[in-house]
Amino acid sequence: EAQVTQNPRYLITVTGKKLTVTCSQNMNHEYMSWYRQDPGLGLRQIYYSMNVEVTDKGDVPEGYKVSRKEKRNFPLILESPSPNQTSLYFCASRLETGGKAFFGQGTRLTVV
Amino acid sequence: QKEVEQDPGPLSVPEGAIVSLNCTYSNSAFQYFMWYRQYSRKGPELLMYTYSSGNKEDGRFTAQVDKSSKYISLFIRDSQPSDSATYLCAMSAYTSNAGKSTFGDGTTLTVKP
Repeated sequence: EAQVTQNPRYLITVTGKKLTVTCSQNMNHEYMSWYRQDPGLGLRQIYYSMNVEVTDKGDVPEGYKVSRKEKRNFPLILESPSPNQTSLYFCASRLETGGKAFFGQGTRLTVV
Repeated sequence: QKEVEQDPGPLSVPEGAIVSLNCTYSNSAFQYFMWYRQYSRKGPELLMYTYSSGNKEDGRFTAQVDKSSKYISLFIRDSQPSDSATYLCAMSAYTSNAGKSTFGDGTTLTVKP
């Protein structure tokens, strides 16, 4: 079954404690992205990757890092989380420019 | 000003109604237009995907793109309670930033039996 898998689904952490949210896709897609979704602000792109070792900033990259060492994986790293990064995060992948995107189930992160 | 503006809603309609959801945009480079449906506590799922201007129909759903007016719409015919969800428009351009997508804020639709 074609899918995008994020882990964990829920995470509560403390300010400053480094964390990683993993994302894996089994469709051999080239493009992968991370979004955050906040009430009243919609879905905003954090980072995206067009292929292995190729990443670029989206609209809200501050405070986040990503890496793309393998095609299937695109982890999101928060080196020093802060409360304003409390949000619902989605990973997505797609095959080509403008193509159909598949979203993961989301990771609800709370930073206290 | 945001690149993509979506009618905010919320929208509440009776079962069987025709629903119109709309977005406007400012970036003339956008060429790919998508509509996603998001149920509560779930990730968005793609409903319709259109390249450039024109209409596309899929069952009860019709997507329209008017690039001259920078306006896109999603029509839902014979709406059902199962259509109750948040609908997101999304757009991307075929440029060097080809991986970048911009979303509207979403419109929450409730279809009452």
